[in-house]
Amino acid sequence: GNSVTQMEGPVTLSEEAFLTINCTYTATGYPSLFWYVQYPGEGLQLLLKATKADDKGSNKGFEATYRKETTSFHLEKGSVQVSDSAVYFCALITTSGTYKYIFGTGTRLKVLA
Amino acid sequence: NAGVTQTPKFQVLKTGQSMTLQCAQDMNHEYMSWYRQDPGMGLRLIHYSVGAGITDQGEVPNGYNVSRSTTEDFPLRLLSAAPSQTSVYFCASGAGGPYNEQFFGPGTRLTVL
Repeated sequence: GNSVTQMEGPVTLSEEAFLTINCTYTATGYPSLFWYVQYPGEGLQLLLKATKADDKGSNKGFEATYRKETTSFHLEKGSVQVSDSAVYFCALITTSGTYKYIFGTGTRLKVLA
Repeated sequence: NAGVTQTPKFQVLKTGQSMTLQCAQDMNHEYMSWYRQDPGMGLRLIHYSVGAGITDQGEVPNGYNVSRSTTEDFPLRLLSAAPSQTSVYFCASGAGGPYNEQFFGPGTRLTVL
């Protein structure tokens, strides 16, 4: 079946460090891929997305590239800030039949000043 | 625009009680969904709807009912609450289709004693 696997957290980094959060997926067809972010006490909000192979999504300094050959969508940021501390969710939407979102388990990021 | 609203924000129930979690959106979105968020489990889809009068089951539908009589509203009913339903519940809406993001409400924290 369809699934999303994320690296386990928490991830703790110093300010200005490089961030990578790994995400791999299993899906039939050609899913669209998303990263959502959840700040404390809030709902999820879209961070970036990619809808086809080799697409790169980017927003607020974060990037992720849709790699069909490795079924991956790793999230990266060159220099994290304390304000990036949050939980990050990788997700896909199936494109066969009715569209359903499938989320990973989330990775908590803590950035220290 | 209010976006996606959820009520109540917090609720405590006793085992066996029933209640309805309310969700409304003012963006004229066709797609609406309910998730539960549990530690280490990420977001799991409970039920979803692709339009008024159409609902379908997600990953964890047991113990929950939904209906969609209007485009705006998508209530989630717990008929006989159990401690295993203690969780944070999120409602989301989207324009539907394979390329579109979902917009999340602020969540309802439910405790079943």
